[in-house]
Amino acid sequence: ETGVTQSPTHLIKTRGQQVTLRCSSQSGHNTVSWYQQALGQGPQFIFQYYREEENGRGNFPPRFSGLQFPNYSSELNVNALELDDSALYLCASSLTPLAKNIQYFGAGTRLSVL
Amino acid sequence: QQQVKQSPQSLIVQKGGISIINCAYENTAFDYFPWYQQFPGKGPALLIAIRPDVSEKKEGRFTISFNKSAKQFSLHIMDSQPGDSATYFCAASRNRDDKIIFGKGTRLHILP
Repeated sequence: ETGVTQSPTHLIKTRGQQVTLRCSSQSGHNTVSWYQQALGQGPQFIFQYYREEENGRGNFPPRFSGLQFPNYSSELNVNALELDDSALYLCASSLTPLAKNIQYFGAGTRLSVL
Repeated sequence: QQQVKQSPQSLIVQKGGISIINCAYENTAFDYFPWYQQFPGKGPALLIAIRPDVSEKKEGRFTISFNKSAKQFSLHIMDSQPGDSATYFCAASRNRDDKIIFGKGTRLHILP
């Protein structure tokens, strides 16, 4: 196991609702990255948080937002859910923001938007 | 625009055979190329990674071959075992960038 835990494991929402996903990073890691993995696709980078600040963002609209807390755990918030938001949401923690550092992934939260 | 193209989409190999997965990239600024392995219900896990200053890296039964001029790299799994059955992702990033660009994945099935 990676030590990265995500909750909940599964979630069903309806279009237009809002959702919050949570991630606890591995002990000692100050960086958390969030990815969206659509069915049959590779993970796509949403954004990264380093020491409670956003440290880079992928090509996702502003209704995708996040937070990182002093204990380095993190939240991903998605407003105004759309059907295409249905996916596996992965968080990954690492020692530093540099991509070359090993990113440890959680098992993900599977979000279904009806 | 897909920056990392991976093939094949799925692969079936006999136990003991060699599994080969190929990737091509477009951005010459990429200088870190990891491979990830993902089992059902789990997140991706780093398998092996290479930098463009070497042409090959081997770790156990897993080897990455890298061709900088062709902007291609591949994963070879020697003596493939049923436990290797998983989805494999190639990826790329710039050394000091914050994001990893993943390929679409290859579903590998090793026949017992």
